[in-house]
Amino acid sequence: KAGVTQTPRYLIKTRGQQVTLSCSPISGHRSVSWYQQTPGQGLQFLFEYFSETQRNKGNFPGRFSGRQFSNSRSEMNVSTLELGDSALYLCASSLGGGGVPYEQYFGPGTRLTVT
Amino acid sequence: ILNVEQSPQSLHVQEGDSTNFTCSFPSSNFYALHWYRWETAKSPEALFVMTLNGDEKKKGRISATLNTKEGYSYLYIKGSQPEDSATYLCAFTGTASKLTFGTGTRLQVTL
Repeated sequence: KAGVTQTPRYLIKTRGQQVTLSCSPISGHRSVSWYQQTPGQGLQFLFEYFSETQRNKGNFPGRFSGRQFSNSRSEMNVSTLELGDSALYLCASSLGGGGVPYEQYFGPGTRLTVT
Repeated sequence: ILNVEQSPQSLHVQEGDSTNFTCSFPSSNFYALHWYRWETAKSPEALFVMTLNGDEKKKGRISATLNTKEGYSYLYIKGSQPEDSATYLCAFTGTASKLTFGTGTRLQVTL
């Protein structure tokens, strides 16, 4: 079974630009969560999508948005990039339904550098 | 703001030593506690998902316990090996899907 894939793996952008990151979950998984990791901060929850609907949201500004498609693939968009957005962005997928705390399976991440 | 704390921040042990780390989390509105292992240049890998007070889980030489009433979980590694070197993360959920992670315990096992 193929794991979670994320594209691109590395990205360099300039302040003020926008960026779109993509995540393909494990086949059959309907939940996709996004996390940001910066040095010293740990993994910070951005949002979670389940069956094309945002189910949970973390404490990030509106510049961070996402969506999920009918095949469960998800995209995350960051507009008006700031230097502080430089981070590793991880997505994780899980079965996600029925109120059960399923394990999340993480992708390799996208390393975003904003200059 | 939920606070999930892990201690120690880092740990350096010799091969064969047994070790343990702590994760403390809010004891109210508890839903589940997750443990992950994150090796350098790899993705975080799920170790355990624990939901019941008093739960004990084991996978090989690694085990974990859970106390939801006092808000802590311990992760134990018996007979540490160099391949156990990684950052161990715990994550608290108050709902089924939103994980709040601690900053992790970085374990280094040397020969």
